[in-house]
Amino acid sequence: GENVEQHPSTLSVQEGDSAVIKCTYSDSASNYFPWYKQELGKRPQLIIDIRSNVGEKKDQRIAVTLNKTAKHFSLHITETQPEDSAVYFCAARGGGSFYSSASKIIFGSGTRLSIRP
Amino acid sequence: EAGVTQFPSHSVIEKGQTVTLRCDPISGHDNLYWYRRVMGKEIKFLLHFVKESKQDESGMPNNRFLAERTGGTYSTLKVQPAELEDSGVYFCASSQAGTGIYSGNTIYFGEGSWLTVV
Repeated sequence: GENVEQHPSTLSVQEGDSAVIKCTYSDSASNYFPWYKQELGKRPQLIIDIRSNVGEKKDQRIAVTLNKTAKHFSLHITETQPEDSAVYFCAARGGGSFYSSASKIIFGSGTRLSIRP
Repeated sequence: EAGVTQFPSHSVIEKGQTVTLRCDPISGHDNLYWYRRVMGKEIKFLLHFVKESKQDESGMPNNRFLAERTGGTYSTLKVQPAELEDSGVYFCASSQAGTGIYSGNTIYFGEGSWLTVV
């Protein structure tokens, strides 16, 4: 079945520096890749997503890149701030019709990001 | 617009007891998902409803877990009898039906039901 691997499991960066989280997926038919941020005791919140017909997407300090050939996708956070501290999950939606939302989304194991002041 | 709501937010039960978790998805969302996160691990898929039908229940751990979604609105997840390893946070999530490229994919999560089995 679909598998998503995420690295690193923990990441500590100096405030103002960049953070990069990497994921790989197993199902070459996967077509949708969301990233979620979960703060302590709160629900996972979607922060950015990318579809398989796009190689890169940016939203202010957050960007996501997708390499379909290598089945890799990454989250980049620039100019990190204390409020970026959280657990980040990558995810992939399995194959099937591009227009169908029937396929389940599989999550990676999460990255605990800590921003050092 | 109300988000995905879950009840109870926290539950502590003894091994062997029964617990029922409830999820109310965002109004109009046909897709409803149950996920579970055990401390420090991934958000693991349990099952997926499309309206009242079980689209995929491949993630359900065993037959002690029963999910229902009568009428295609709210859903319940019952654990009977509960075991220690069932402890974790149970998330419900919902999304719209897929009708085009830009619809149906964003999944919205509830706050989770924290289950502790002692």
